[in-house]
Amino acid sequence: SYELTQPPSVSVSPGQTASITCSGDKLGDKHACWYQQKPGQSPVLVIYEDSKRPSGIPERFSGSNSGNTATLTISGTQAMDEADYYCQAWDSSTYVFGPGTKVTVL
Amino acid sequence: EVQLVESGGGLVQPGGSLRLSCAASGFTFSSYWMHWVRQAPGKGLVWVSRLKTDGSGTYYADSVKGRFTISRDNAKNTLYLQMNSLSADDTAVYYCARIGDGYTSGLAYWGQGALVTVSS
Repeated sequence: SYELTQPPSVSVSPGQTASITCSGDKLGDKHACWYQQKPGQSPVLVIYEDSKRPSGIPERFSGSNSGNTATLTISGTQAMDEADYYCQAWDSSTYVFGPGTKVTVL
Repeated sequence: EVQLVESGGGLVQPGGSLRLSCAASGFTFSSYWMHWVRQAPGKGLVWVSRLKTDGSGTYYADSVKGRFTISRDNAKNTLYLQMNSLSADDTAVYYCARIGDGYTSGLAYWGQGALVTVSS
């Protein structure tokens, strides 16, 4: 079955840029999505189809996907961006989530 | 406004069964594939199943195949997940979800989740 890998944690200072990677075999040939989840809340889609932002998602969230790696970038990180982030792809008619990355804003 | 409201969660003994429901509103339910995603306490998101608009196409994660059945009633705007032969590994919050309008993937709408606890 298809697998995605993410770093367990990423730390970033307020105002700096955070980059979260998601790796999978030929991931660039699939569409990658990213979700933000804060404690006790349902996930929120922040990037879909590699680099598109849903309505209401701040411009500081951006995405890319090429080769075996998709990347979520948070520019000008704010304290409110501290959360768990999950990548997700679609393979052989099933959805797959990555294990998640905890972003800490120090 | 799109709303997804799960119900039917609770405590069930190992080997038991439970049926979750997801009441949808604010959109044309019969036009969208629907999904179930779960999250064990303190763990990550795991995709469980998805169902075609008319109920004719179903897909499952390997971990639930043969034990869980996804279904829908388009007249009632409701999605279901029948869970059989439950084990402690199935303890999780179960979310129903839908992709965004015009998206090829990307679950833009989520319910608040229903907690299923499998324990004796």
